[in-house]
Formats: sequence, C-alpha cells, structure tokens
Amino acid sequence: QVQLVQSGTEVKKPGASVKVSCKASGYTFIHYGITWVRQAPGQGLEWMGWISAYNGNTNYAQKLQDRVTMTTDTSTSTAYMELRSLRSDDTAMYYCARDLIAVARSPDVWGQGTTVTV
Amino acid sequence: QSALTQPASVSGSPGQSITISCTGTSSDVGGYGYVSWYQHHPGKAPKRLIYDVGNRPSGVSDRFSGSKSGNTASLTISGLQGEDEADYYCGSYSSASTPYVFGSGTKVTVL
Repeated sequence: QVQLVQSGTEVKKPGASVKVSCKASGYTFIHYGITWVRQAPGQGLEWMGWISAYNGNTNYAQKLQDRVTMTTDTSTSTAYMELRSLRSDDTAMYYCARDLIAVARSPDVWGQGTTVTV
Repeated sequence: QSALTQPASVSGSPGQSITISCTGTSSDVGGYGYVSWYQHHPGKAPKRLIYDVGNRPSGVSDRFSGSKSGNTASLTISGLQGEDEADYYCGSYSSASTPYVFGSGTKVTVL
C-alpha cells in the first residue's frame, strides 16, 4: 500500500536548522510530487511548499521561501524538507503528503507527522 | 495571503446532516475547480475526503459530498456519526504568490 514514513521527533535551538525526511513506498516515486504542510499547536494547517519528484521543480510558500529548501533522493524514494534559522513559532507538527507530479493541487496520502520543537 | 474562511465550529446530532462552508476569492476557490477537503483527527495524519470540488476517492464513505458555488465551497456530511467528530479543512489551488491555501479549519462536534 502507498505509505509515507517520516523521520522522528526533533528538538532544536533558535537559529538552528532542521531536516525532516519522508520515505515513500508502494508507488512509483518519480510519478508524483511531495507537498509539505505544518500545524503549530492549536493552529490550523499551513501549506509550506511542494516539490516534483520527477524533475525537482519546487514551489514554496512566500513567507518561508527564504528559509526552506525541499529536495528529493530518487535512489531511495525519499523527500527532504530543510528549514533554517528556526524560531519559536516554527514549533509544529510537520507532514509530508503525496501530490501531483507537475503542480501542488490535492495531497492525497499523508505521512504520520514529525514533531519539531524550537 | 489569508487562509480560506471556514466556520470555527459546527455541530449536529447523530443521523443529521451538516454543511461546512469554505469561502475564498476568485484567485482560488472561485477561479478553479481544485478544492479538496480533509478530515483531521488530533494526533493522526489528515485524510483526504474530497478532491476537485466534488470527487470522492475510493474508500471514502458516500456520506461525504462536496460542491461549490462562486467563491464558496461546501462539504456536507450526511448521517452524522460519532466517528465524524474531528477537524475539517478545505484546501484550494491558488493563483496568488503562494500556490496552495488551506481553510482556517472547522471543528465538528457530534452531540
């Protein structure tokens, strides 16, 4: 079955960076994209960005584009999200989700989430 | 870029139908047929219920249905059940600087 498994809990100091991984299985990785979403405590879902696993094209939320980088490793079917210059308001649950190959449109299968505490 | 507007909470009795609205602009909800709905139980991964306004993925109960009129999309849950108690989010493609936007979220309570 289609599955996305994310890396474990992270605790970081302000100003540090965090890199969250998302390993895909059960489908052809390069035929889809990966969207990243976060949810701060008590808040709603926030779209962070999208990457095509086919060609590495990315699209980031304007408020994060200076601090976030999304990459993929097609040899291991793994997507990564790196967030730099961490602040206390980056404390959140971070999710990866499978999306379309060419555009962020409708993430369908989601990972279990990674807690990041700053 | 603001989140799409949803009511903070909606409640209903078992067996009833409820509708959650999601209001955006012509740059997102109103301009495209790319609205999705997600169910989120705390501590679990969100689950997609509806895509492209009114399409239901296989395996999702037909008690969930979606529609759109102008800049407002809606999710209707019929035959409300206790397991439907969760947070619900709409999401839409957007032509603005950030190409995808979620709604503010609606907490559904089954009385």
